[in-house]
Amino acid sequence: TQLLEQSPQFLSIQEGENLTVYCNSSSVFSSLQWYRQEPGEGPVLLVTVVTGGEVKKLKRLTFQFGDARKDSSLHITAAQPGDTGLYLCAGGNYGQNFVFGPGTRLSVLP
Amino acid sequence: EPEVTQTPSHQVTQMGQEVILRCVPISNHLYFYWYRQILGQKVEFLVSFYNNEISEKSEIFDDQFSVERPDGSNFTLKIRSTKLEDSAMYFCASSDNRAGYLNTEAFFGQGTRLTVV
Repeated sequence: TQLLEQSPQFLSIQEGENLTVYCNSSSVFSSLQWYRQEPGEGPVLLVTVVTGGEVKKLKRLTFQFGDARKDSSLHITAAQPGDTGLYLCAGGNYGQNFVFGPGTRLSVLP
Repeated sequence: EPEVTQTPSHQVTQMGQEVILRCVPISNHLYFYWYRQILGQKVEFLVSFYNNEISEKSEIFDDQFSVERPDGSNFTLKIRSTKLEDSAMYFCASSDNRAGYLNTEAFFGQGTRLTVV
């Protein structure tokens, strides 16, 4: 079974700071997805990274897929209170489901 | 933009009662999933469904759970006799291809909060 770990588990920062969260696995994934989840809601897909070494930007968010396709990072520049939420990485298991990491809970204080 | 919809948004039920959670996946998707998330915990896989049969299920998905696609649009999760520990958010998801194939993405509904009392 493929497993995903995320770090840090919790992160609390001030508005305007930069941050990076990580998603790691000992297994290779064909792609990784990043989701953001707000309390009481479903995960919302942010991006999918597919190619080893790929970098994707979504406004102030930068996503990178590791060269070996076993890890990924999410960097947020100049964080805003609206970025607060649970950030989840997920990968398609070479079976029939998507496996999720435990998430990084981000709190951006004004 | 196409989306996965789930009903009800919140369901309260007594222990031992049967519940049915409903989902309408994205219309051109062929692969369907149920996940659950106990408050403050990880998103956990329950079951995947393709071509009118279960593709894979986790150890959580025991004999008390069943899934069905009763018509061309709905996808349901039934819990036969609910237990207190079944209280969680239940998410339905769908994808246009099987998980792990190239850049296949899963899209999630807003969830049903199930509270068993």
